Amino acid sequence: DAGITQSPRHKVTETGTPVTLRCHQTENHRYMYWYRQDPGHGLRLIHYSYGVKDTDKGEVSDGYSVSRSKTEDFLLTLESATSSQTSVYFCAISRTSGVGDTQYFGPGTRLTVL
Amino acid sequence: DQQVKQNSPSLSVQEGRISILNCDYTNSMFDYFLWYKKYPAEGPTFLISISSIKDKNEDGRFTVFLNKSAKHLSLHIVPSQPGDSAVYFCAASVGTASKLTFGTGTRLQVTL
Repeated sequence: DAGITQSPRHKVTETGTPVTLRCHQTENHRYMYWYRQDPGHGLRLIHYSYGVKDTDKGEVSDGYSVSRSKTEDFLLTLESATSSQTSVYFCAISRTSGVGDTQYFGPGTRLTVL
Repeated sequence: DQQVKQNSPSLSVQEGRISILNCDYTNSMFDYFLWYKKYPAEGPTFLISISSIKDKNEDGRFTVFLNKSAKHLSLHIVPSQPGDSAVYFCAASVGTASKLTFGTGTRLQVTL
């Protein structure tokens, strides 16, 4: 258990509305990530953060923004949701282990954009 | 361009037998590889990892093999159990504290 919670766990929204997903961690990890999972694509990185107010883009960042004002919270915002953003979103943290840093995932948020 | 490929979408194995899941990659810069297991409606769970300085890593019933010259890795599960039925993702990165690139997953079903 990596101490990661995501909220909401499920959300249905309409095209054009703003949506914010929250990732909360309890272990003070520096690195946090947002991925989306879609059939036929595996998981794809949207944005990641390497510290408070330090973020960078991932592979599929268009249409998404992030913010990290506190170590424990990493927010993902869809400014104007589209049907192509219907997906399952996972947050992850990076924890140092014996081999190297390993990412651990939260339970996910299922977002449906109608 | 899919840099990490899992060419078998599904695999069925009898309980007690060996499960072998395969993964190929194209980016020669990748030097850290991981396997995750995912049950429906849950987040991916880390299983095992391997650094490019090794060709094998073992953890209980799970062993990962890395063939750098072939850009290929495999996950062996011995013996397979019904609870192993899940989707398995391989992932790769350049360095360990870095962005992961995932394969598309292989659904493993372990039958009784």
